[in-house]
Amino acid sequence: AQTVTQSQPEMSVQEAETVTLSCTYDTSENNYYLFWYKQPPSRQMILVIRQEAYKQQNATENRFSVNFQKAAKSFSLKISDSQLGDTAMYFCAFMKDFGNEKLTFGTGTRLTIIP
Amino acid sequence: DTGVSQDPRHKITKRGQNVTFRCDPISEHNRLYWYRQTLGQGPEFLTYFQNEAQLEKSRLLSDRFSAERPKGSFSTLEIQRTEQGDSAMYLCASSLLGSGGVNTDTQYFGPGTRLTVL
Repeated sequence: AQTVTQSQPEMSVQEAETVTLSCTYDTSENNYYLFWYKQPPSRQMILVIRQEAYKQQNATENRFSVNFQKAAKSFSLKISDSQLGDTAMYFCAFMKDFGNEKLTFGTGTRLTIIP
Repeated sequence: DTGVSQDPRHKITKRGQNVTFRCDPISEHNRLYWYRQTLGQGPEFLTYFQNEAQLEKSRLLSDRFSAERPKGSFSTLEIQRTEQGDSAMYLCASSLLGSGGVNTDTQYFGPGTRLTVL
């Protein structure tokens, strides 16, 4: 079974600064996907970024980028030029490739952007 | 392009009552998932469908829970004889499984149904 660990329950950062959220996972699979989802207060969960394990290049989406270290089973999210709208719970999630595509989530990191 | 919708958004019920939630996925998506999220936790997988077939159920899904997707479009999740421990946010997500069995898309979530059992 897969497990996902987010060791930072809460973080805060000043607006316009850069922040990095940590995620580690445990799996015996070789092919899989990793995701960061954002859940703003009282709003639905939305996808931030996705990484395929077979790709060595780290995924980027505008101000969001990941540092994927497959050997270390680490998948951190970097948010550059943070904005007030980035305030949310951030969940790291794992999905096997082929056959069992449910998401396994971590416990989340509550990120607050301070004006 | 409409996203995943869920109804109702909030449900308050008394212990022992039955409740039913509905999820409408993104129209072309053939996979539909149910998750449960309790306060301060990440979502936990309950069950998922490919078209009308229910392919997997979590051990979290007790005999009091049943899910259906009769025509491969919308899905319902029913909880019978609700207990206070059933209080949670119930999330629905959908995705597209492409040809060749490759999961070509990510899961997109609805706004959830918040259940409170008194």
